Amino acid sequence: SQTIHQWPATLVQPVGSPLSLECTVEGTSNPNLYWYRQAAGRGLQLLFYSVGIGQISSEVPQNLSASRPQDRQFILSSKKLLLSDSGFYLCAWSPGAAEAFFGQGTRLTVV
Amino acid sequence: GQQLNQSPQSMFIQEGEDVSMNCTSSSIFNTWLWYKQDPGEGPVLLIALYKAGELTSNGRLTAQFGITRKDSFLNISASIPSDVGIYFCAGQLSGYALNFGKGTSLLVTP
Repeated sequence: SQTIHQWPATLVQPVGSPLSLECTVEGTSNPNLYWYRQAAGRGLQLLFYSVGIGQISSEVPQNLSASRPQDRQFILSSKKLLLSDSGFYLCAWSPGAAEAFFGQGTRLTVV
Repeated sequence: GQQLNQSPQSMFIQEGEDVSMNCTSSSIFNTWLWYKQDPGEGPVLLIALYKAGELTSNGRLTAQFGITRKDSFLNISASIPSDVGIYFCAGQLSGYALNFGKGTSLLVTP
């Protein structure tokens, strides 16, 4: 069966520091991969999605970037964090263009 | 992405009551999904709907894909305390991105 791993679960980083969040999927090949951010107050905002290695689409211009160095690995990065980058970051995968399955999330607090 | 309007924003009910929430959009969708999120966790897929008019159940949960393809509802029958959480609808027209509603927060008192 397919599983998705996302880490770390929580992270406290100072303003201006770099960020790297990692997500991996097991049990499937060539999944679609997504990064979402959920701010306090619940809405899920799509940040990036990828349909293949090296293929990244950005939905919202911001201080973040994403990379997909391997088929089942998706990384969210920032060179310099802002206070506004705080939030709950969720990685998700889908077998095609329909259902998405989410990881456990990373709670990022920028101080 | 397309705007989804999910209502109600929150519900406070007693155990055993039935619950109904819905989602509407100004645009049509080909797929409607319903998720539940517990605090500090990622959303978990409850029900997926692929055809207009489709009615699907998952235990005490029932969801329908509206005929107009612009709406969907989720019903929970005989609520129990573990139903507490935030319920999200999500719709997809084409491409690869889901559009999410802002969620319905459900509280169940024993």
